[in-house]
Amino acid sequence: DTGVSQNPRHKITKRGQNVTFRCDPISEHNRLYWYRQTLGQGPEFLTYFQNEAQLEKSRLLSDRFSAERPKGSFSTLEIQRTEQGDSAMYLCASSLTGGITEAFFGQGTRLTVV
Amino acid sequence: AQRVTQPEKLLSVFKGAPVELKCNYSYSGSPELFWYVQYSRQRLQLLLRHISRESIKGFTADLNKGETSFHLKKPFAQEEDSAMYYCALSGGNNDMRFGAGTRLTVKP
Repeated sequence: DTGVSQNPRHKITKRGQNVTFRCDPISEHNRLYWYRQTLGQGPEFLTYFQNEAQLEKSRLLSDRFSAERPKGSFSTLEIQRTEQGDSAMYLCASSLTGGITEAFFGQGTRLTVV
Repeated sequence: AQRVTQPEKLLSVFKGAPVELKCNYSYSGSPELFWYVQYSRQRLQLLLRHISRESIKGFTADLNKGETSFHLKKPFAQEEDSAMYYCALSGGNNDMRFGAGTRLTVKP
């Protein structure tokens, strides 16, 4: 599968624990996006990268959230001191830049905080 | 700020009936608009984009800048069209924002 890959697919954690998700974009894509999706809602923008540079962060991204894309390839999203409200599907997408480009989505990581 | 509004959370039609999924947007510049679809147990995928002026699976969408709308239409709905549909807008920074989605159910 040469599409966007996210790991793990599911994560159950206790409140207060830290979790880290990984996203491997399509190899030639230099843009990478993170979204959060809760039940009945569309994907909510969290942050995006152009290569290794993080260009924008949503106000939804509290200081407990951090994202990195150290070499401009894969990205990680870490949530520290998880809360029950963090339970959601976390989606990663990647795209090319220049012109009007399609974002390709991964299958998501479903986080459940108990 | 860019915003996408899909006023209908649920839409149900009978097979063969016309369907229109509404999308309104707010953006000060020239937007790029998309429709994404998510079938059951599948990942989000692009359905169509306004710049292409294409018809995909019988769906079309026209950008109306005067009404700031990008409604998705199909003249004859099929059962396999049942899915979640998301309207999305990409602004100057190419950061894509999504509407809340409309769940389309096509009844036999």
